[in-house]
Amino acid sequence: RKEVEQDPGPFNVPEGATVAFNCTYSNSASQSFFWYRQDCRKEPKLLMSVYSSGNEDGRFTAQLNRASQYISLLIRDSKLSDSATYLCAVNLGTGGGNKLTFGTGTQLKVEL
Amino acid sequence: ETGVTQTPRHLVMGMTNKKSLKCEQHLGHNAMYWYKQSAKKPLELMFVYSLEERVENNSVPSRFSPECPNSSHLFLHLHTLQPEDSALYLCASSQDNWVSGSSYNEQFFGPGTRLTVL
Repeated sequence: RKEVEQDPGPFNVPEGATVAFNCTYSNSASQSFFWYRQDCRKEPKLLMSVYSSGNEDGRFTAQLNRASQYISLLIRDSKLSDSATYLCAVNLGTGGGNKLTFGTGTQLKVEL
Repeated sequence: ETGVTQTPRHLVMGMTNKKSLKCEQHLGHNAMYWYKQSAKKPLELMFVYSLEERVENNSVPSRFSPECPNSSHLFLHLHTLQPEDSALYLCASSQDNWVSGSSYNEQFFGPGTRLTVL
């Protein structure tokens, strides 16, 4: 089983739709979780940290389910500009250093 | 300059060349990282430096040699690379507050160097 796993997609959704992605992780000792957005041929940009209680930033909501070992990202009222690859990242919390393990990313395409 | 910068943005080199990638962070962070991103693969962590000490070397071949002269600068020295080393090399930084030997803060990425090895 991969340490961090995502459905690669693509998810093709119409503008205004609500879309959700999940990301599963294998290590129950994982300590911190993040969602990054990556546009084609660009660097990943931090979208949200994922807190135990869940957190919301505008149209974006991130949640953590420790029992089932996954994090989720919900995008409401999707815009054309939301089209990108969404990467989840997990800090396994072992040893020194802030070592993130990334998933392969989920591609989102928002269409007219 | 703000954020994390990387030079060069593009690099083409032969297998016998020696080159260096440079990363500079302007965020006052105390940790820096090198990642490799190949097509259809997840980001792979290569090296971690915390307070200028290397704390991680993720089984990276010796043809990649990192250097961190201070907390703002990070280099990746390349020599005798292989064509399969062609990828996007990303630098990142974070401000880490160590708790029980681990840290959980967000990392911020530079724009990357797109490397092609002929």
